[in-house]
Amino acid sequence: DADVTQTPRNRITKTGKRIMLECSQTKGHDRMYWYRQDPGLGLRLIYYSFDVKDINKGEISDGYSVSRQAQAKFSLSLESAIPNQTALYFCATSDRRAGKETQYFGPGTRLLVL
Amino acid sequence: SQQGEEDPQALSIQEGENATMNCSYKTSINNLQWYRQNSGRGLVHLILIRSNEREKHSGRLRVTLDTSKKSSSLLITASRAADTASYFCATGSNFGNEKLTFGTGTRLTIIP
Repeated sequence: DADVTQTPRNRITKTGKRIMLECSQTKGHDRMYWYRQDPGLGLRLIYYSFDVKDINKGEISDGYSVSRQAQAKFSLSLESAIPNQTALYFCATSDRRAGKETQYFGPGTRLLVL
Repeated sequence: SQQGEEDPQALSIQEGENATMNCSYKTSINNLQWYRQNSGRGLVHLILIRSNEREKHSGRLRVTLDTSKKSSSLLITASRAADTASYFCATGSNFGNEKLTFGTGTRLTIIP
């Protein structure tokens, strides 16, 4: 089984709808991240969480919210989806110990907002 | 904003040749990492180099870092068709707050 899983893998929704993307990990990592990827722009950080009680905004948090339900689960919500939120969304995890800066990515969720 | 900019944006080479990709960044870093992404899939970590290191090797990969020029290069030797992917550099800036900032990527195509 994959260490970092994302559901759903593909989602089509309409403008104004609320949707949730879910991420689960079995790596035992404290740190979790949500990114979006747009063509030609690389990955941009939406939110990150360094433990269950710690939630931080990334560079493009407007229009998004997150919930860290447990160490292993980190959900991303779009409160009212808009077409320019159409993108590929990735969850990632990392270990908080010094010298363990590598991030481990899920397979991604492809979101289309009509 | 993007911290890293990869160069070139796209690169096509014959199988067996070496591929070199470059990354420039803007602010001080603690470490620089390279990731690979096969089409539409999650990123996979390749190699990490710390700010006090100048060169690192892993199998067919060689990474260099020049902090005075704020640049890094990734060399893939003896390329294979399976190396076809997008390659991203990512910079980490502070101890205890290891967010990564990704570049825009280089699309590498290996021609069999």
